[in-house]
Amino acid sequence: KAGVTQTPRYLIKTRGQQVTLSCSPISGHRSVSWYQQTPGQGLQFLFEYFSETQRNKGNFPGRFSGRQFSNSRSEMNVSTLELGDSALYLCASSPEGWDSGRRFFGSGTQLSVL
Amino acid sequence: DQQVKQNSPSLSVQEGRISILNCDYTNSMFDYFLWYKKYPAEGPTFLISISSIKDKNEDGRFTVFLNKSAKHLSLHIVPSQPGDSAVYFCAARGSGGSNYKLTFGKGTLLTVNP
Repeated sequence: KAGVTQTPRYLIKTRGQQVTLSCSPISGHRSVSWYQQTPGQGLQFLFEYFSETQRNKGNFPGRFSGRQFSNSRSEMNVSTLELGDSALYLCASSPEGWDSGRRFFGSGTQLSVL
Repeated sequence: DQQVKQNSPSLSVQEGRISILNCDYTNSMFDYFLWYKKYPAEGPTFLISISSIKDKNEDGRFTVFLNKSAKHLSLHIVPSQPGDSAVYFCAARGSGGSNYKLTFGKGTLLTVNP
């Protein structure tokens, strides 16, 4: 099985722009979650989707949003980018009905905001 | 507030010796605890987990210990190998309803010297 695929791998944007990141989960996985990793803060939970519905959300401003499509693929969007949004954005998937906390992560999208 | 804490940003050990990584948590509602390993330029990969009803779980060279009264868990790697050099994240899963999100610590960089 192919793993979790995130595109693009690297992205450079300037302040004020918006960005969309994409995630394709492992085939058959219906839950997708997003995390932000920064050197000082570790991994911070952004949101989680299951069957196209957001079922959990972290403490991020409304500039961060996401969605999930009927094929379980997910996108996250950040509007009005700020310098502090520079981070590695990680997507993770997990199978339906199995949630001991184990997640399968993609390699991430490294976003740099200039 | 930081509900999952890894107080040691880094740890260095000799090949063949034991590596002990520590993690503290504050939320008594967490019901699963996990360790993930992360190499540079890759997403985290699941290593081992433990349910809150157990105090030990073993998988090959990796053992996780949970002390609920102290709200403390540790990961033991015996014997340590150079390939174990990576950032290790402790994570905890909330229990009940929509609170299944994972909360991560900031990570500990383990360096195993040959």
